[in-house]
This record gives sequence, structure tokens and C-alpha cells, in this order.
Amino acid sequence: AQTVTQSQPEMSVQEAETVTLSCTYDTSENNYYLFWYKQPPSRQMILVIRQEAYKQQNATENRFSVNFQKAAKSFSLKISDSQLGDTAMYFCAFIPTGANSKLTFGKGITLSVRP
Amino acid sequence: EAQVTQNPRYLITVTGKKLTVTCSQNMNHEYMSWYRQDPGLGLRQIYYSMNVEVTDKGDVPEGYKVSRKEKRNFPLILESPSPNQTSLYFCASSPWTSASYEQYFGPGTRLTVT
Repeated sequence: AQTVTQSQPEMSVQEAETVTLSCTYDTSENNYYLFWYKQPPSRQMILVIRQEAYKQQNATENRFSVNFQKAAKSFSLKISDSQLGDTAMYFCAFIPTGANSKLTFGKGITLSVRP
Repeated sequence: EAQVTQNPRYLITVTGKKLTVTCSQNMNHEYMSWYRQDPGLGLRQIYYSMNVEVTDKGDVPEGYKVSRKEKRNFPLILESPSPNQTSLYFCASSPWTSASYEQYFGPGTRLTVT
């Protein structure tokens, strides 16, 4: 069975500073994708960033980047220059690309950006 | 506009009254899925479908049914809803190709069962 763990339920950061959200996962699969999704108060699920397990290079999307450590099964999200609009719930998610195609989410972390 | 639509967005019903939440996507995606979101539990997968007429159970399928008769539609059926099915429900679709396994989510359906 695959699991995704987000151990920090809440975090807070000052506007313009950098924050890192942690995520660990457990799987026996070798080929998979990892995602970070953002859920603002509107409840819409928005993809922030994706990482293919076979790629060693860490993914980046503007102010968002990941630290992907495959051996440690760790997938943290770094948000640089935090903005008030980053206030949201963030979910880490894992999906294998083989026959077992279930998407597994972590429980999420609530991030508050302080002005 | 490429999107996943769900209806209704809000629904209050009573225990035992059958209901269907519709889901439709206009992106010709192979993969579709249903999730429920509950406080402190994150999102949990109910059912998913890799293609027409192919469906599989997710982590919490009890009390739910699905069908995939057409590629674009993936309705979620609650034959006899109970209060523990009060939740926020999301439908999602994905192209499911080596270029992208990203899930595109609908806006969510808030269901209350009294």
C-alpha cells in the first residue's frame, strides 16, 4: 500500500520570506509522479508543481520549487518570496504510472502568509 | 474552455434518498476519478476509471457506485446516502499519458446528508 505523509498540519510565514513544506511517501513502485496541489478558500484544486520520479533534476515553477530525494522518499515544496495569495491548503500527492493507478493524497497543510 | 464540470455544486438530502452527482470533461481524457475531502483526512479516492466501461475501486468505495458509459462522463451514484457521506466531493480527469499524469479537478460538490 502506498502512503503520503504531511506531518505539519499548519505553518505560517511572513510575506516575502521563504517557506518549505515537507512531504514523505512510501511505495514499492519504481515509476511514479509526485504533485503539489494548492487549495485556496475557493476550494478549487490547483496544480502547483509536478515531479517525475525518473528525473533527477528538481522541478521548478517560478517561485515554487521542490527538493526531491528519491532514496529518502521525500518531496518538499519551497515557496520563495511568499505572497498573500499563497495562503491556502497544500496537498502532496503520489500516483504510480503502472497498473495500480490510484492517486494518494497527504492530509494537507494549512499555510498562512502574514502581511 | 477546457474544464471538468460537476453538478450540483451544493446538495442537501435526507438519509436513503438516492442521488447522482454528474461529472463531465471536455478534454478527451482517458482517466477519470472521484474523491471525497474530509477535515483532517485530506482527499481520498472513491473510484477511478481508466477508460470507457473500465472502473476500479479506490480507497473508500463503500456506499458509492460509478459508471463510465461515455468517455466524457463519470457520474457518482449514492444509492442510499447516509450522514457519514456528508463531504466535499471532487471529480477529476487526466490525459494519462507519459507526457502528463496531472489530474484536472472539477469545482467540487458539497453534499450534506441529514
